Amino acid sequence: QSALTQPPSVSGSPGQSVTISCTGTSNDVGTYNRVSWYQQPPGSAPKVIIFGVYNRPSGVPDRFSGAKSGNTASLTISGLQAEDEAVYYCSSFTSSSWVFGGGTKLTVL
Amino acid sequence: QVQLQESGPTLVKPSQTLSLTCTVSGGPISSGTHFWSWIRQHPGKGLEWIGYTYYSGSAYYNPSLKSRVTISVDTSKNQFSLNLTSVTAADTAVYYCAREDRLRSFYFDPWGQGTLVTVSS
Repeated sequence: QSALTQPPSVSGSPGQSVTISCTGTSNDVGTYNRVSWYQQPPGSAPKVIIFGVYNRPSGVPDRFSGAKSGNTASLTISGLQAEDEAVYYCSSFTSSSWVFGGGTKLTVL
Repeated sequence: QVQLQESGPTLVKPSQTLSLTCTVSGGPISSGTHFWSWIRQHPGKGLEWIGYTYYSGSAYYNPSLKSRVTISVDTSKNQFSLNLTSVTAADTAVYYCAREDRLRSFYFDPWGQGTLVTVSS
């Protein structure tokens, strides 16, 4: 299966909002609401911040939100903070397997 | 809360077999509502799903690795394991184990801290 497509990098200033896209196909993102997003700070393991396209695990700030339109899912981070600087990955589960995006490095200016 | 910890050799010679174990603490691996996955990350690169297993012993693998991968589970030890045969330098990566939640939706949580495995003679 092919990897999901994410922009390599995005940036924003503190307080601003940024959106990271994640484009798949009708075989994954387009058909299933099984998109999750992960935040990976340098030197750390990934941590889930969005699951089921829109849902936040407990403890994740509501500044993080997810959406989906057609074959593209998106992660929006509002009110950017310095601690949000990390690499963000999307993932989708199809009928039997997982696929990840290539990752997007968020730089807080 | 559930925690996962990878263990195993950090240096493997080319053509040999990479073997890692993930020990699950804080909850039974045989919960029935979770699957158990291995994921790797090449240095400076993105995430690659390797495969998952279930407490029953069934497993499913990434088609790109399927011919070299075996994932097994030992419920008595609350562990699951990864075997990757005929390794090359291209298999050098940080290997993570993770729990899949399939009750409310599909996602990985928690993850182990990861272990760097280097393939080199």
